[in-house]
Amino acid sequence: DAMVIQNPRYQVTQFGKPVTLSCSQTLNHNVMYWYQQKSSQAPKLLFHYYDKDFNNEADTPDNFQSRRPNTSFCFLDIRSPGLGDAAMYLCATSRIQGETQYFGPGTRLLVL
Amino acid sequence: RKEVEQDPGPFNVPEGATVAFNCTYSNSASQSFFWYRQDCRKEPKLLMSVYSSGNEDGRFTAQLNRASQYISLLIRDSKLSDSATYLCVVTSSNDYKLSFGAGTTVTVRA
Repeated sequence: DAMVIQNPRYQVTQFGKPVTLSCSQTLNHNVMYWYQQKSSQAPKLLFHYYDKDFNNEADTPDNFQSRRPNTSFCFLDIRSPGLGDAAMYLCATSRIQGETQYFGPGTRLLVL
Repeated sequence: RKEVEQDPGPFNVPEGATVAFNCTYSNSASQSFFWYRQDCRKEPKLLMSVYSSGNEDGRFTAQLNRASQYISLLIRDSKLSDSATYLCVVTSSNDYKLSFGAGTTVTVRA
């Protein structure tokens, strides 16, 4: 059974058109993470929530925002996607910080 | 300098061969070490944790060398299904963050 679910799996958007990516989990984990991964590169942490506590990475552009309305769901909002934002976006969860992270299948974003 | 560095490969090996590769990390305070496997266009999946004394999981052996700050992964009797990118992942004792290497690509051919 899927434990970390991401929707959609593929998303096409236009330059500058806001887009929202969704992540849900059935693990009841406290921590949810969003990573950006470009081709042949390491996943890059954008931000994470520990419960309702939001933690932004220092180098995450303001264009990227996140919401966590409840334990199960977390959203990544890209306010004005640029061509450079085309990437795979990975959601991950862990029970607490420092424990094993479980990744969702990712959403591949294409910006036209 | 990147926190975690890996030889990108690709390592092209025949079925049944042994392949091994390393990963170096820059933070001497690093405490936890992992190998993740990532198939093309899929998410990373935990392959194995790496313990100080080294550990095996079937055909996979992981070693840690703290003095030289590297970890290694050895795959014995390679299968076609072992073809993937192997990501080296390190965490430090004072934060939760996973530091990923860019991955080493292994291709096993029939």
